[in-house]
Amino acid sequence: AQTVTQSQPEMSVQEAETVTLSCTYDTSESDYYLFWYKQPPSRQMILVIRQEAYKQQNATENRFSVNFQKAAKSFSLKISDSQLGDAAMYFCAYRSAWYGGSQGNLIFGKGTKLSVKP
Amino acid sequence: GAGVSQSPSNKVTEKGKDVELRCDPISGHTALYWYRQSLGQGLEFLIYFQGNSAPDKSGLPSDRFSAERTGGSVSTLTIQRTQQEDSAVYLCASSQTGTGNTEAFFGQGTRLTVV
Repeated sequence: AQTVTQSQPEMSVQEAETVTLSCTYDTSESDYYLFWYKQPPSRQMILVIRQEAYKQQNATENRFSVNFQKAAKSFSLKISDSQLGDAAMYFCAYRSAWYGGSQGNLIFGKGTKLSVKP
Repeated sequence: GAGVSQSPSNKVTEKGKDVELRCDPISGHTALYWYRQSLGQGLEFLIYFQGNSAPDKSGLPSDRFSAERTGGSVSTLTIQRTQQEDSAVYLCASSQTGTGNTEAFFGQGTRLTVV
């Protein structure tokens, strides 16, 4: 079974600085999808960025970018020019591309709580 | 609807009682997920629906937990004989398909407290 590990329970960054959140995953599959979700105190989960494993190019969305290292099974999230509104729990997630019984399931890590200092 | 709707938003129940949690997915979304989030923890997968069938119910923690989805739309998660360890936020999500990089949209959750 696939697993997702986020080794940093908490991180802190100064406003306007850059921070990187780590995520590693374990899978024997070659094709899959990876996601970062943000959960602010309101509890509303919001998609931040996604990456297809077959694409070598790292995904970017404005101030958010990923460093996808397929061989190392690593999928880190970089937040540039951090803003107070970026403070939230960040979850890394995995979805298999295999068409089997559990295909479609989203598997989440335990999350990293990001604080942004003014 | 505009988003995934969950009801109730908060539920306090006595130990031993049954509870039903409801999820209204985004119209047309075929995939529906239930997760449990204990205080300060990550998302624990419970069950996944594709249409009305549940290809993956491996996450249901015990036979006190069950879920159904009717008409490929609304889903109900039922917890029988609730225990204090069932206290958590229950999150529902839906996506247009259960494949690829399609985004899962989440509801705001139901906070269940068992006293």
